[in-house]
Amino acid sequence: EDKVVQSPLSLVVHEGDTVTLNCSYEVTNFRSLLWYKQEKKAPTFLFMLTSSGIEKKSGRLSSILDKKELFSILNITATQTGDSAIYLCATADRGSTLGRLYFGRGTQLTVWP
Amino acid sequence: DAGVIQSPRHEVTEMGQEVTLRCKPISGHDYLFWYRQTMMRGLELLIYFNNNVPIDDSGMPEDRFSAKMPNASFSTLKIQPSEPRDSAVYFCASSLAEGQGDSPLHFGNGTRLTVT
Repeated sequence: EDKVVQSPLSLVVHEGDTVTLNCSYEVTNFRSLLWYKQEKKAPTFLFMLTSSGIEKKSGRLSSILDKKELFSILNITATQTGDSAIYLCATADRGSTLGRLYFGRGTQLTVWP
Repeated sequence: DAGVIQSPRHEVTEMGQEVTLRCKPISGHDYLFWYRQTMMRGLELLIYFNNNVPIDDSGMPEDRFSAKMPNASFSTLKIQPSEPRDSAVYFCASSLAEGQGDSPLHFGNGTRLTVT
């Protein structure tokens, strides 16, 4: 049974659109939630969230965590073709190394010009 | 910082052959992880090491899989004998102790394995 569930599995939008990617999780002893972007090669780190309600922002990307409802969202505003990628959500347990992550299957985002 | 280096980038082999994947972590990182990525199952942790010692190998699918870390700068993942269902992208990743810093896990570019 998946500990981290992402939705939608895939999304196709046009440049300029705003998208919201969802991640729900089920971790016994939650430590943090992380978002990664994966283009053709290695996943690259976007955000790490540990506290509810505090938005993390980087340019057009932002993310927020709700520890009560056990989910996070990743928003991308004014999408560009370069945002096309798989976006991965992962959680880490308290008591294990932060690198020991449970990944969701990802959301494949395609941005058309 | 050269990042995590994996080799080979692509490997095509026949069923039954031995496959060895290699990884050089970022210098100074105490943790090394091997992940496997498939369309069906996403990214799965296979095994991880701390200071060259295997800590958790519960994700290793079968006895056909083995991993070693003879020193702090090198690790191998071996599959013997390989099967078509082992076809996947295998990622190596490393991190500082307790994932300090803004980027807790650094991934290599992966090895795409195809077993025919």
